[in-house]
Amino acid sequence: DTEVTQTPKHLVMGMTNKKSLKCEQHMGHRAMYWYKQKAKKPPELMFVYSYEKLSINESVPSRFSPECPNSSLLNLHLHALQPEDSALYLCASSQDRLAGVETQYFGPGTRLLVL
Amino acid sequence: SQQGEEDPQALSIQEGENATMNCSYKTSINNLQWYRQNSGRGLVHLILIRSNEREKHSGRLRVTLDTSKKSSSLLITASRAADTASYFCATDANPRSDYKLSFGAGTTVTVRA
Repeated sequence: DTEVTQTPKHLVMGMTNKKSLKCEQHMGHRAMYWYKQKAKKPPELMFVYSYEKLSINESVPSRFSPECPNSSLLNLHLHALQPEDSALYLCASSQDRLAGVETQYFGPGTRLLVL
Repeated sequence: SQQGEEDPQALSIQEGENATMNCSYKTSINNLQWYRQNSGRGLVHLILIRSNEREKHSGRLRVTLDTSKKSSSLLITASRAADTASYFCATDANPRSDYKLSFGAGTTVTVRA
């Protein structure tokens, strides 16, 4: 199974809502990532988890809160978002390699619209 | 962070023609990867080339790497309508920067029937 799944596919939320994005992989990967992607731009790294511990936070605003409950699951909790946070949110996973970053497997993304 | 530049930004070709896109980067790398993204979908890994490799093939894809020029190219031969997508190069810097891949700006390829 080389699939990363993400739910929901689409999400519309108001600026006062709280919602969560979910990501799951069963490839035994120990590194998991959240990216944000705006239209016609490359993905921007937000967070990296390695062995269920937060390894990288790319100075993301606190209205985004990641969580890694176990080695297969990654959540992104959203609260008090702004319209400019509307984007495609991508989850990815990869094997943990001391030699460097290997292939990342991406989910299909959650298209988020903040009104 | 974005370390790569891709060229061209957009490319339109006829079905059956070859498509070539280039990627330049700034720092030493462990490997360089190419990904494809169909409109509004997730990225799909195409090929990974390590810093000690010069050329790699996978099906209709050919990737070259010139570490002295800090550049790579992706060639898609005999293009099909299904190849219409955005293509991104991504580099794993050396020394490694802890799981970060630096993505280029991307090349949008349109294959006309």
